[in-house]
Amino acid sequence: KNQVEQSPQSLIILEGKNCTLQCNYTVSPFSNLRWYKQDTGRGPVSLTIMTFSENTKSNGRYTATLDADTKQSSLHITASQLSDSASYICVVVGSTLGRLYFGRGTQLTVWP
Amino acid sequence: NAGVTQTPKFRILKIGQSMTLQCTQDMNHNYMYWYRQDPGMGLKLIYYSVGAGITDKGEVPNGYNVSRSTTEDFPLRLELAAPSQTSVYFCASRRGQVDQPQHFGDGTRLSIL
Repeated sequence: KNQVEQSPQSLIILEGKNCTLQCNYTVSPFSNLRWYKQDTGRGPVSLTIMTFSENTKSNGRYTATLDADTKQSSLHITASQLSDSASYICVVVGSTLGRLYFGRGTQLTVWP
Repeated sequence: NAGVTQTPKFRILKIGQSMTLQCTQDMNHNYMYWYRQDPGMGLKLIYYSVGAGITDKGEVPNGYNVSRSTTEDFPLRLELAAPSQTSVYFCASRRGQVDQPQHFGDGTRLSIL
């Protein structure tokens, strides 16, 4: 069964600290993996997209890694800001029909 | 930059009522999608469209209908609303290539009482 599991479910950190969010998936065959940020009351916004041949991709203070062999990805946030408080969703795209499989998200709260 | 626009933002329906959730995009994207997001759950695909005049079912299509008469618009119809349809509904669109990101609207929060 194609699944996407994220951990932790929620996380609280202090402003300025770093954190890492995890994503494990069983989707096969696999086309690409995406991380989205969803602010409260808003739609998800794309942060990064990685194909199976890419190991790392950065977008400002966000760095995503991918290990296609172990089917794991992580999103590292550096020097967190209050505006980073949001839900971070891991999305895996299957190469058959391009179907998207969504994780449940990690709810990140950054405290001052 | 309007992107994907959804209306209404909030709605309360009584059981058995019907309504249409509107979605329009101004990016000339061929692919459009409807998802529902229940609390603590991942987004689930309701219906999708690969172009005007073409629609297909996703994971959870029961109780919903869609149409795609133009590239820009992709309305979602709820017939005979049920409490199980209480959710947040998101519309999304993307360009043709599978490696392109989906652009989401800000959602419609629907409660069925």
